[in-house]
Amino acid sequence: KQEVTQIPAALSVPEGENLVLNCSFTDSAIYNLQWFRQDPGKGLTSLLLIQSSQREQTSGRLNASLDKSSGRSTLYIAASQPGDSATYLCAGFNDYKLSFGAGTTVTVRA
Amino acid sequence: GAGVSQTPSNKVTEKGKYVELRCDPISGHTALYWYRQSLGQGPEFLIYFQGTGAADDSGLPNDRFFAVRPEGSVSTLKIQRTERGDSAVYLCASSFNRNTEAFFGQGTRLTVV
Repeated sequence: KQEVTQIPAALSVPEGENLVLNCSFTDSAIYNLQWFRQDPGKGLTSLLLIQSSQREQTSGRLNASLDKSSGRSTLYIAASQPGDSATYLCAGFNDYKLSFGAGTTVTVRA
Repeated sequence: GAGVSQTPSNKVTEKGKYVELRCDPISGHTALYWYRQSLGQGPEFLIYFQGTGAADDSGLPNDRFFAVRPEGSVSTLKIQRTERGDSAVYLCASSFNRNTEAFFGQGTRLTVV
């Protein structure tokens, strides 16, 4: 069974600082890894999908890396803004099933 | 529609009652998933459909929970004899095919009183 861990559980940074969010998973036989954003009381918004054959994926200020051998993925958010405040979840695809971490709640202080 | 649609957005029901939660996936997506999220936790898998069939229902907590997708599009999650412990946010997601990018709806917040 895939276990996904996200550390830290919460993070507070001043505006403009770069964010580094960590995700680790136990089963390296992962197909893809997806990062999501969740605002309070809302559903999940897809940010990035990294395919198992890729090591990195970028979208605007977001960059995500995937190292299957070490069971880790990292989401980098450059030049954080107050609007980036949310909970960020990573999820690994093992076959069709997504296994989620509990998320990292980010607060960006203006 | 452009995204995954879930109705209702909120549902309050009395213990012991029957509820149905609806999910309308993105058009053309063959894979559909139901997840359940409790406060402060990540979503937990309930069931996966590929087309009309439930390919994996191993996450359903017990036989009070059932889901259908009769025409390979809209899905309904059905909960019988609801219990207070069923209170959670129920999320639906769809993807073009298995292991492709998953898109989630806004969820249905179920409260059993």
